[in-house]
Formats: sequence, C-alpha cells, structure tokens
Amino acid sequence: SQQGEEDPQALSIQEGENATMNCSYKTSINNLQWYRQNSGRGLVHLILIRSNEREKHSGRLRVTLDTSKKSSSLLITASRAADTASYFCATGLIQGAQKLVFGQGTRLTINP
Amino acid sequence: EAGVVQSPRYKIIEKKQPVAFWCNPISGHNTLYWYLQNLGQGPELLIRYENEEAVDDSQLPKDRFSAERLKGVDSTLKIQPAELGDSAVYLCASSLEASEETQYFGPGTRLLVL
Repeated sequence: SQQGEEDPQALSIQEGENATMNCSYKTSINNLQWYRQNSGRGLVHLILIRSNEREKHSGRLRVTLDTSKKSSSLLITASRAADTASYFCATGLIQGAQKLVFGQGTRLTINP
Repeated sequence: EAGVVQSPRYKIIEKKQPVAFWCNPISGHNTLYWYLQNLGQGPELLIRYENEEAVDDSQLPKDRFSAERLKGVDSTLKIQPAELGDSAVYLCASSLEASEETQYFGPGTRLLVL
C-alpha cells in the first residue's frame, strides 16, 4: 500500500514558470524524500528533508515539511523543458533499517 | 562510478512462462532492494537484502516470486509462472547500508506478459 497522496496527479505549465507539487502522508516519519523519474528510466534522488526540518533548498528546488499537517511540498522554480518528468515523494521511517514508502507521483509537463 | 545496473531493460513473455531479472548494485552497497512499479503508480517494495540475507520479504508473493543474492552482490528476481497482472516495471535499488536514508535506483526492467 502507498503511504502518500500527491497532488496534483498531473501538472502542465509553461517554461520559466514555477511548479508546485504537494504530498500528504499518514504515519510518523523520520524523513521525506523527493525523487524524479524520467519516462522509461529509474528514479533519481532529488532532495531529503528530515522530520525536524521545515524547509530545505537545493538549486532550483525548495522543499517544505509540515509534520503537524503531515504534508510536504516541492517547488521547482524557473522550470525548464528538461524538468518534464514524474515526481514522487517517499516517506522514510527508520526502524533499524530505512523503509521508503512512495506516493503515486505527479506527472509534470513543461511546455516550451 | 557506475550506477545500479539492471538487465534486461525490456522483456515480453507469454503468460505461464518463467522470467528472471538481474541487478548489480553500486559497488560497496550492502543493501539491495527490489521494487514493483505499476503503471501510473509509485514503486512498492518487494524485498530487501542486507548482504546475502533477505531481511524484509513480507510483500513478495512467494507462490510465484523468488529472489536470491547468493554472494551478497548481484541479485536475481524470478517469476514462475508469470501472470498477466505481473506486467509492470521491476526496479532494483541499493544503498550503502540499511540505515542509509537515500536509495539509488537502476533503470528498471519493463515486463509485458501477453
């Protein structure tokens, strides 16, 4: 079963605009991660935010985490055509070992 | 540094046939994962290995699925016999150790069962 629900399921914007994707989850977590998957390819790790952090930046990516609402958002600024991909949030729970549970993903399309 | 390698990339078989997928993790990573990804969904864990030991196989359908990682390096996932509903992408991932937060994924094997 999948932990997270992502919103929207699909997003289409113009190049240069910002893209925001949201993720909600159900149980306690140690960290939350975002992965990108290009069509027909594997997942690439983008960014990780721990449960005691509220915001994190990496290049054009900004992630927020609200543990009281059990939600996270991923913002991609100044989008590029190459950002077209599916984006997945994954909640991490460490109980001896890290267990990742993925959401259903957001399909992002950047139009030139 | 080479990433996670999987083969084949694509496989088409008829139902009731056996099929096997191979994965070579990043060198030095002792934890290996097999995930199933259905179309339009996120990956779901099938099995996790720490070295050669399967430490979490609770989601692996053991009536038809099996996996091995004999020398604690590369791994094989097998389905026998395959069913139509097994059509999906099978992803392999690895991490340095089980407690590491980030996992590194291979490109996956796309299986189509006819």
